[in-house]
Amino acid sequence: AQSVTQLDSHVSVSEGTPVLLRCNYSSSYSPSLFWYVQHPNKGLQLLLKYTSAATLVKGINGFEAEFKKSETSFHLTKPSAHMSDAAEYFCVVSDPGYSSASKIIFGSGTRLSIRP
Amino acid sequence: NAGVTQTPKFRVLKTGQSMTLLCAQDMNHEYMYWYRQDPGMGLRLIHYSVGEGTTAKGEVPDGYNVSRLKKQNFLLGLESAAPSQTSVYFCASSFNPRLAGGPGSEQYFGPGTRLTVT
Repeated sequence: AQSVTQLDSHVSVSEGTPVLLRCNYSSSYSPSLFWYVQHPNKGLQLLLKYTSAATLVKGINGFEAEFKKSETSFHLTKPSAHMSDAAEYFCVVSDPGYSSASKIIFGSGTRLSIRP
Repeated sequence: NAGVTQTPKFRVLKTGQSMTLLCAQDMNHEYMYWYRQDPGMGLRLIHYSVGEGTTAKGEVPDGYNVSRLKKQNFLLGLESAAPSQTSVYFCASSFNPRLAGGPGSEQYFGPGTRLTVT
């Protein structure tokens, strides 16, 4: 069965310091993995996605994530945080072998705060 | 190209009232989804559709009905609203993830509808 765990509900970093948002997943198949960002009172926007190509995935706004099969992790990183990065981040696992939408699982979210 | 739009943006209902939320997409996506978002629980799938005229239940379908009469529209109905349905509702759409082989399976989200049931 698929599942996704975001290990931190809230992360706070200072502006200009690195960001690490952690995501572990479980899947019976080779999954597709996504990170979405949600700014306050907005819908979700795709940051990046992994679909069995390169294990290091680059996304928008300087974010990247590395797929580590041995650790079943897909952590999101950014070298230097900006105030505009303050938002909620969701890790999502999807089994591409199925056409059923019930195989798309969202993590519970990590709220990222940026200190001036 | 508006992407995914939702109407209304806000709504307050009394217990027992009914309403319909409308989702529209202009990207020719086959798949459409309705989610609800509650604090600390991420997004939970209510219903989804894999094409015009089809609907299926997601994780939390009770108390909701849906219809997909046109490919670009996906309606979510509440027949008799309850306070437990107070939430933010998001619509999303995507291409068929199986046909796209994965790369096309990302979802595009609408801006959300904030519903309060008193």
